Amino acid sequence: NAGVMQNPRHLVRRRGQEARLRCSPMKGHSHVYWYRQLPEEGLKFMVYLQKENIIDESGMPKERFSAEFPKEGPSILRIQQVVRGDSAAYFCASSPPGAGPNNIQYFGAGTRLSVL
Amino acid sequence: SQQGEEDPQALSIQEGENATMNCSYKTSINNLQWYRQNSGRGLVHLILIRSNEREKHSGRLRVTLDTSKKSSSLLITASRAADTASYFCAPRGQGGSEKLVFGKGTKLTVNP
Repeated sequence: NAGVMQNPRHLVRRRGQEARLRCSPMKGHSHVYWYRQLPEEGLKFMVYLQKENIIDESGMPKERFSAEFPKEGPSILRIQQVVRGDSAAYFCASSPPGAGPNNIQYFGAGTRLSVL
Repeated sequence: SQQGEEDPQALSIQEGENATMNCSYKTSINNLQWYRQNSGRGLVHLILIRSNEREKHSGRLRVTLDTSKKSSSLLITASRAADTASYFCAPRGQGGSEKLVFGKGTKLTVNP
């Protein structure tokens, strides 16, 4: 059973370009979470999705950032018109349905975004 | 929202010694989880302790929970160089979103 797969592992973009980060959850997991980590910081929650639905986007910046988790295919975190401050490691996690507050999240290895 | 604060921020010990790190939080919880992050990698779940539990073991890990003091501790016994990592706690409330809220973590260095 493969773990949470994120790609690409490293992404370099110039200011103003778009960044697309992909996350395939573990088999059987229908809940996906995105987190962002700045150097020497903990992970900061961005968004929580279930298939075709955004459940909690309280950590998403109001502009330029969007996320989706379609019925088929991976979850996508999209950053439009990137700026240098978007440079960070972006982690995806997944969990199975039904566990509620006892859910354990399984993390991918992350995508490191560098904005030049 | 729930957030744990880990203490100390950094800890350096010799291989074979025990490492203790602490977590404090502010509101009532359903459970508290500990995660480890090796440098440059994603987080790995270590252990979950429920609010009605006081102590839990998993291999060389021992976690305690004191809900009256709103604190938890993670003890790693007989540490190894491979335990070098950052450790984060995540208190989980009764309801609300399933998101995890992390502090800055404890950065543990185990010297060979």
